[in-house]
Amino acid sequence: QVQLVQSGAEVKKPGASVKVSCNASGYTFTSYYLHWVRQAPGQGLEWMGVLNPNSGTTGWAQKFQGRITMTRDTSTSTVYMELSSLRSEDTAVYYCARGLYGGNRGEFDYWGQGTLVTVSS
Amino acid sequence: QSVLTQPPSVSGAPGQRVTISCTGGSSNIGAGYDVHWYQQLPGAAPKLLIYVNNNRPSGIPDRFSGSKSGTSASLAISGLQTEDEADYYCQSYDSSLSTYVFGPGTMVSVL
Repeated sequence: QVQLVQSGAEVKKPGASVKVSCNASGYTFTSYYLHWVRQAPGQGLEWMGVLNPNSGTTGWAQKFQGRITMTRDTSTSTVYMELSSLRSEDTAVYYCARGLYGGNRGEFDYWGQGTLVTVSS
Repeated sequence: QSVLTQPPSVSGAPGQRVTISCTGGSSNIGAGYDVHWYQQLPGAAPKLLIYVNNNRPSGIPDRFSGSKSGTSASLAISGLQTEDEADYYCQSYDSSLSTYVFGPGTMVSVL
């Protein structure tokens, strides 16, 4: 069965970076895009970016320009999302989610369990 | 604030039917982009409920249905059950923002 398993919770200081991993299993890793979506406490969902595991190409929301880096390791079917220059507003649960498309269409059919990132001095 | 709007909450008695609206504009739903719906139970990750406007993934009961018309979409839950208490989010794409967008979410309560 399809599974997306994320790394554990992180506590970071303002200005630091965080790197969250998402290990995929149960399907052909390079056949689906992997998106990142975050949810601040008590808030809604916010799309951050997407990675094509086949080519390594990425796209992101303008809001995260210059702060987000997404990479992958095809040998372990793992994708990584690094967010830099953290501020308190980045405190959120970060999800990876699988999608058949990475451009301007498509749904997210499987989600990771989420990784809580807390930014606090 | 999101470019997609949803009512903050809806409620109904067990067995009743409730609907959740998702209203967008000319750069998202009205531009022809598909609408998808997710259910998020307390403390859990979102789960795909409806994709491409009105399709249910395998395992989703037919009590859940979706529709889309013009600049809006709707999610209907018939035969409401206590386990349906959750937050529900619509999702689409916005060409002006060049990003996937979510509605703010609707909390469904079963009275």
